Amino acid sequence: DQQVKQNSPSLSVQEGRISILNCDYTNSMFDYFLWYKKYPAEGPTFLISISSIKDKNEDGRFTVFLNKSAKHLSLHIVPSQPGDSAVYFCAAMWGNTPLVFGKGTRLSVIA
Amino acid sequence: KAGVTQTPRYLIKTRGQQVTLSCSPISGHRSVSWYQQTPGQGLQFLFEYFSETQRNKGNFPGRFSGRQFSNSRSEMNVSTLELGDSALYLCASSLNSGQTYEQYFGPGTRLTVT
Repeated sequence: DQQVKQNSPSLSVQEGRISILNCDYTNSMFDYFLWYKKYPAEGPTFLISISSIKDKNEDGRFTVFLNKSAKHLSLHIVPSQPGDSAVYFCAAMWGNTPLVFGKGTRLSVIA
Repeated sequence: KAGVTQTPRYLIKTRGQQVTLSCSPISGHRSVSWYQQTPGQGLQFLFEYFSETQRNKGNFPGRFSGRQFSNSRSEMNVSTLELGDSALYLCASSLNSGQTYEQYFGPGTRLTVT
């Protein structure tokens, strides 16, 4: 049973445009959500997070939106840059439980 | 400050063998978690160690085990390897247990089972 789902395995976006990566979850206990970015041959690196008490968190070009009623979150990257090309993982947790990851979305930003 | 290091980076084993992977956390970090990444399943939590004690365990068979030493370094062992164990094994460290939101990942060990 997959508790965190990233339904798009891949996404291609032109440089300068907006990238929107989506994530759905099923466990209503989740109260903290994170996005990680992973380049080949490297471990995931933390990108941005959001608590369930918020509906938006912004950090530079990256914004995460949380819709609790729909159990949906999205990561917006504006403007997209070629260096953003990577695999993006959505993850969720509650309390002290381990992170539950989605399967990832491969973003390709085309110059 | 040095990051999380994992050794070896690449490993090829045959079915039935066993393997031991090593992880050195960031200096001062006491919690180490292990994850398995496969194309079909994404990142899946294996277990977490804190102060030499296993704090959390994922849904993996008993062939997967781990331990942590007094210097916080951790090892994971997989016995009786199966083809399906081929994966990238990632280690992540954090200051304290339960701080999964502040985990720092190593580059991983790529295990291929033939």
